[in-house]
Order: sequence, then structure tokens, then C-alpha cells
Amino acid sequence: QKEVEQNSGPLSVPEGAIASLNCTYSDRGSQSFFWYRQYSGKSPELIMSIYSNGDKEDGRFTAQLNKASQYVSLLIRDSQPSDSATYLCAVKSSASKIIFGSGTRLSIRP
Amino acid sequence: EPEVTQTPSHQVTQMGQEVILRCVPISNHLYFYWYRQILGQKVEFLVSFYNNEISEKSEIFDDQFSVERPDGSNFTLKIRSTKLEDSAMYFCASSEQPDRVDEAFFGQGTRLTVV
Repeated sequence: QKEVEQNSGPLSVPEGAIASLNCTYSDRGSQSFFWYRQYSGKSPELIMSIYSNGDKEDGRFTAQLNKASQYVSLLIRDSQPSDSATYLCAVKSSASKIIFGSGTRLSIRP
Repeated sequence: EPEVTQTPSHQVTQMGQEVILRCVPISNHLYFYWYRQILGQKVEFLVSFYNNEISEKSEIFDDQFSVERPDGSNFTLKIRSTKLEDSAMYFCASSEQPDRVDEAFFGQGTRLTVV
């Protein structure tokens, strides 16, 4: 059974600080990794994808991947109140299937 | 901006009744998916669909579930005899490419409540 594990939180970060979200996955053969943001009662929204070891930056977001450790992380710089949401780590399991983690609830306090 | 449209936004049904959840994918997309999220739990894959056939389904997608593309625009999920545990948010998604489910656009979801 392929699994994606995240700390459920809540993670509370002051506005302007860096939020760090972590995720581990069980399938060593996984190649594609994603971070989705989900506001309460809304659908998941893809914010980052990463496919190779190292860092990938997009604006205030940086995704980090370490395949040897089976570890994915998301850094959010200069956190804003609008970043308060649940962040879902996900791994592509097949051509048409994504396995999601249970999500980490992030709260940015003013 | 193109979007996936789901109707209704909220459906309440009695246990044992049939429900049909509707989705209008983005017009040039050919690959369609259903996911569900029980309140407070993970988003779970149900089924993928292409060329009027199921491409892949999960163990959740048992004989009570079926999918159909009844015309050129709609994509439906039918639950034949609903159970209390079917209560969840159901998300439809569509993508242009077959192996780019990560580029799928999600609809806003239908909240199904079985009473």
C-alpha cells in the first residue's frame, strides 16, 4: 500500500516568517511529487510540482525533494494570512492516479 | 479562465437512494477523474475515464459506482444505493493529456450527505 505521510498540524507561523511543511512517502519508485493548497470546503489547487532531487523555487514557494530519504518539503517565505490553508503533499502513483497525504493545516498569525 | 463545473454543489439523499453527480469538464480535455474526500480525511482517487472507458479504478470504486459520459459535455458519477459512509465531498477533474493527471483541473466539488 503506497502511503504519503504528513504531520496534521496545526502549524502556526507569524506573518512574514518562513513556513516549513514536510512529507514522506513510501514508494521508492515514485517520480513525481506535488504540493496542493486546499482552503476549507474547497477543491485542491496545485501550487508546486517537483520531479528531481534538489530545490525548485516559484515566487515565495520552494519545494525540496530528497529521493534517497523519500522526503518532500515545501517552504513558504514571507508568509501571508492568505496562506492559511491545508497543504496536501501528493505523489503520482500511475498515469491517472495521485495519492494524497492527509494534509498539514497551516495558520498564519498576524 | 477555463474551469470544471460540478452540479449540484450540495446533495442530500436518503440511504439506499441512487444519486448522480454531474460534471462538465473543460471543453478540450479528454481525460476525466473522480476523487472523493470524506470530511477530515484524505483526498482519495476513485476512477479515471477516457474514450468512454474506465482507465483505472480504486478499490473504493465497487459495483455501487459507475461513470458515464452521456453526451459531449457531461461526465457523471452514479452511486446506485447510497450508504451513510458515502457522505463526502466528490471532486471531478479533467486533463488534456493522459499521463498528466498532475495538470488536471479540479471542480469545486459536490458535497454529498447521506441521511
